[in-house]
Amino acid sequence: AQRVTQPEKLLSVFKGAPVELKCNYSYSGSPELFWYVQYSRQRLQLLLRHISRESIKGFTADLNKGETSFHLKKPFAQEEDSAMYYCALRGGTSYGKLTFGQGTILTVHP
Amino acid sequence: DTGVSQDPRHKITKRGQNVTFRCDPISEHNRLYWYRQTLGQGPEFLTYFQNEAQLEKSRLLSDRFSAERPKGSFSTLEIQRTEQGDSAMYLCASSWGDRPYEQYFGPGTRLTVT
Repeated sequence: AQRVTQPEKLLSVFKGAPVELKCNYSYSGSPELFWYVQYSRQRLQLLLRHISRESIKGFTADLNKGETSFHLKKPFAQEEDSAMYYCALRGGTSYGKLTFGQGTILTVHP
Repeated sequence: DTGVSQDPRHKITKRGQNVTFRCDPISEHNRLYWYRQTLGQGPEFLTYFQNEAQLEKSRLLSDRFSAERPKGSFSTLEIQRTEQGDSAMYLCASSWGDRPYEQYFGPGTRLTVT
């Protein structure tokens, strides 16, 4: 079975502060991990995936297989980062299925 | 608009009625997915099509649920004999053949069963 856990439903920071959204997963094989984001009144969209090792909108995420974590980080939060963030996992045996966490609402205060 | 579209956006129905939702994916995408999202939860996978073939179904998809993608383009999701527990947001997504993880989501259909 595969599972994604985001322990924080809500996270509030001030503009310019560092932010870390936590994600832990459970999967017996080698998963692919992703972060999806949903801004207010917009659709769910892909933010980044662990394989690409890119920085998107200043966000990075490192897959830690030892701790089975894939935390999303940004050194200096901006107000426009306020959104719902979902961590998602794709298992090797399923070509299409994504398993999502419960989501974390990030609010960045001015 | 070249994004994923879903119709209707909202549906209120009485328990026991049947409902059908439609999803139109991005035209060049050959993969199509249905998810269900309840309040406070992330999307939960229901089923997945590659072209017209339904390749994977979740155990969440009971006998009352059926999905089709007859010509490999739009898809329909039907729920028969709706129950109050079916109340949720139903999301459709589509993707390119070689980038299944990059799923483009529609706005969703919110179902309320009274």
